[in-house]
Amino acid sequence: SQELEQSPQSLIVQEGKNLTINCTSSKTLYGLYWYKQKYGEGLIFLMMLQKGGEEKSHEKITAKLDEKKQQSSLHITASQPSHAGIYLCGADIPGNTGKLIFGQGTTLQVKP
Amino acid sequence: ETGVTQTPRHLVMGMTNKKSLKCEQHLGHNAMYWYKQSAKKPLELMFVYSLEERVENNSVPSRFSPECPNSSHLFLHLHTLQPEDSALYLCASSQDYRDTGGNTIYFGEGSWLTVV
Repeated sequence: SQELEQSPQSLIVQEGKNLTINCTSSKTLYGLYWYKQKYGEGLIFLMMLQKGGEEKSHEKITAKLDEKKQQSSLHITASQPSHAGIYLCGADIPGNTGKLIFGQGTTLQVKP
Repeated sequence: ETGVTQTPRHLVMGMTNKKSLKCEQHLGHNAMYWYKQSAKKPLELMFVYSLEERVENNSVPSRFSPECPNSSHLFLHLHTLQPEDSALYLCASSQDYRDTGGNTIYFGEGSWLTVV
């Protein structure tokens, strides 16, 4: 069955540092979604990537989908305490119409 | 504010109680979802409704009973739950269920359920 693996599982960075979170699929992705969650709260949609090689940015967060559409990375530039939270990748899978499966999440702490 | 509102935000119930979680979406979407999020586990899809019709039921125990009276409202009725059912329950919606590749799902804030 399709699974999404996120790495690292947790990350502590100093404010101002850059960081990258990866999401890897065992199968080709139709669409890859990035969400951010604060502990105990809902998921906030960040970005969606569909095409191989696609890259999108929102403020200081950039997400890329590789050419083979099996891996995505989320890069945060000059991290701030407001970036802290849990980052989850979700994926559309061929044959899994309308549903997303999710990775286990990456917990990010940003130290002031 | 995502356009998906869940109530209550926190619920504590005994194993013999009956309670309900409510979800309302203000986005004009046709599909609504219940997800369960437990500690250290990926999000688990429980139910999917499309145009008020249940289209997915992922082997969820019958002590969880969903109801979708219209495309804007979704309930999760709870009865005789077990302590291991304690989790964050997330409601979500999307424009359509059948679209692929671009069917962004928007989540509510979640309802924290504790079963004692």
